[in-house]
Amino acid sequence: GAVVSQHPSRVICKSGTSVKIECRSLDFQATTMFWYRQFPKQSLMLMATSNEGSKATYEQGVEKDKFLINHASLTLSTLTVTSAHPEDSSFYICSARDSSGNTIYFGEGSWLTVV
Amino acid sequence: AQSVAQPEDQVNVAEGNPLTVKCTYSVSGNPYLFWYVQYPNRGLQFLLKYITGDNLVKGSYGFEAEFNKSQTSFHLKKPSALVSDSALYFCAVRDSNDYKLSFGAGTTVTVRA
Repeated sequence: GAVVSQHPSRVICKSGTSVKIECRSLDFQATTMFWYRQFPKQSLMLMATSNEGSKATYEQGVEKDKFLINHASLTLSTLTVTSAHPEDSSFYICSARDSSGNTIYFGEGSWLTVV
Repeated sequence: AQSVAQPEDQVNVAEGNPLTVKCTYSVSGNPYLFWYVQYPNRGLQFLLKYITGDNLVKGSYGFEAEFNKSQTSFHLKKPSALVSDSALYFCAVRDSNDYKLSFGAGTTVTVRA
């Protein structure tokens, strides 16, 4: 099946700094990518939908200035957590839909710890 | 609006026994239904999907699911569970007109040897 790669898998950053997470579709072009946040033993919360070449669409309650999303190419989307705080610590997962749009593939996730 | 309900937080079965994980959904249009599995500290792995066609769909690792329109259900099944099937399972749905997935709360499956 299609592969979506996320990097880094784990990152620790100091409070107040920014951290970038990359999401790449390795063997298909992803017109649309999605960013989720998952708290321990909970379901996935959609943060934003990212379309290549256009601004991301954020879900209600998600601060667009804090969670910057860039989707500059058909294979890469990035999530930048700006001025991170300990409450931003979480598991962030990206996903991408293939050209048919019918299946959405997920990355392996990125653990962010803000200290 | 679309939503998914997974009524069981946990399912425990013995290895070799049948496994069923329940899912019901609500969408305004035609449903596109998915099952994903998540192992600890990992992303979601795609198991199977229903878009159209046969109500019984077969997926990875011996899993299958049956779409039941009248009951708005899409239960995941495996005839003979393995210890390695122990994981967190998510049912997801989207409307045919929208690419955003809505997830259930997840069901933790534990298969004991």
